Amino acid sequence: SQELEQSPQSLIVQEGKNLTINCTSSKTLYGLYWYKQKYGEGLIFLMMLQKGGEEKSHEKITAKLDEKKQQSSLHITASQPSHAGIYLCGADTTSGSRLTFGEGTQLTVNP
Amino acid sequence: DADVTQTPRNRITKTGKRIMLECSQTKGHDRMYWYRQDPGLGLRLIYYSFDVKDINKGEISDGYSVSRQAQAKFSLSLESAIPNQTALYFCATSETGGLYTQYFGPGTRLTVL
Repeated sequence: SQELEQSPQSLIVQEGKNLTINCTSSKTLYGLYWYKQKYGEGLIFLMMLQKGGEEKSHEKITAKLDEKKQQSSLHITASQPSHAGIYLCGADTTSGSRLTFGEGTQLTVNP
Repeated sequence: DADVTQTPRNRITKTGKRIMLECSQTKGHDRMYWYRQDPGLGLRLIYYSFDVKDINKGEISDGYSVSRQAQAKFSLSLESAIPNQTALYFCATSETGGLYTQYFGPGTRLTVL
């Protein structure tokens, strides 16, 4: 969706390296959701951000929502092969009715 | 047991056939959704339902229909399947009101020959 842009589309890193995935919205974000998907499988919920400037962490994954609430970043520290998969951001720009998803970022972590 | 289940997990069918994909949930959520995923296009919303009596079209509803048989069940039908409906289909559920998290099923891989 052009309403929500994710970058990069794909990323290949060496195990142990840090990386960042970005999600940019053309509209104000009432909520921003990060999911992870293993190839061909369902989406696993990671984190939800709601407030401008908010930051949440889960294990080695940190997500932030900027003050203007139009961009979020997902940062992985010391990546591992288990982090490999497709990361998708989902945006609520309509205050609770539905989500719009980005195209996803395919992450490969080489041992 | 999984909270959101989808059947079948894989299906191969021919052009013109009627297909039904089923979704069941044990999360007690009122809201249910159907998405399709295509390479390079991300997830796109087909239909969503906020309760048993409320059905809404998403961004790509043409060629699809849905039925909300109960709070826990939401089915997606392709009345006359065509090859460009080949995709990975996901069902999701969420609670009602305010901001919510959508929880996804494992997906159904549909191939239309």
